Amino acid sequence: AQKVTQAQTEISVVEKEDVTLDCVYETRDTTYYLFWYKQPPSGELVFLIRRNSFDEQNEISGRYSWNFQKSTSSFNFTITASQVVDSAVYFCALIGGSSNTGKLIFGQGTTLQVKP
Amino acid sequence: DTGVSQNPRHKITKRGQNVTFRCDPISEHNRLYWYRQTLGQGPEFLTYFQNEAQLEKSRLLSDRFSAERPKGSFSTLEIQRTEQGDSAMYLCASSLAAGGGMTGELFFGEGSRLTVL
Repeated sequence: AQKVTQAQTEISVVEKEDVTLDCVYETRDTTYYLFWYKQPPSGELVFLIRRNSFDEQNEISGRYSWNFQKSTSSFNFTITASQVVDSAVYFCALIGGSSNTGKLIFGQGTTLQVKP
Repeated sequence: DTGVSQNPRHKITKRGQNVTFRCDPISEHNRLYWYRQTLGQGPEFLTYFQNEAQLEKSRLLSDRFSAERPKGSFSTLEIQRTEQGDSAMYLCASSLAAGGGMTGELFFGEGSRLTVL
């Protein structure tokens, strides 16, 4: 079975603090893809990153960084120097298998509130 | 706006009525997906199309649900005899696929929120 767990339901930080959103996944596939999406109040899911299972290099994009560790089946997301505009629900998601059909398995999401 | 467009954005209906949602994907995308999201949960896959062919349906999609993509462009999702449990946000997404696999990310619309009274 495939599963994504985001244990943090809600996180509240003050602007400029760093924050890490945890994601743990389960899959028996050796080839899989991991994603992070942001869902602002408008409702539209915004793509942030996609990683495949063969690429464990961490990635940094501006204030965002991702730490992928196959040994612990985790794909954590860190926002550095958080801003009020980062307030949203963040979803981690998984697609298992090499066919990459687009059937995303989402976690339950982490609501991030950044206070001024 | 060249993103994924969904309408109506909100629909309130009485139990037992039929409702239909429309999704217009990004024009060059050959794959179209429907997901359902209930309050406080992540989206759940319902079905997807490659061009006009419906390739997979989730067990979540009961017989009261039907989706079509007749010309490989826009898609409709119809729910017949709505039940209160159908209340949710229905999300549409599109992507580009080649060689049998998805080549990039899914682009989501803003969703259609259904409330069944």
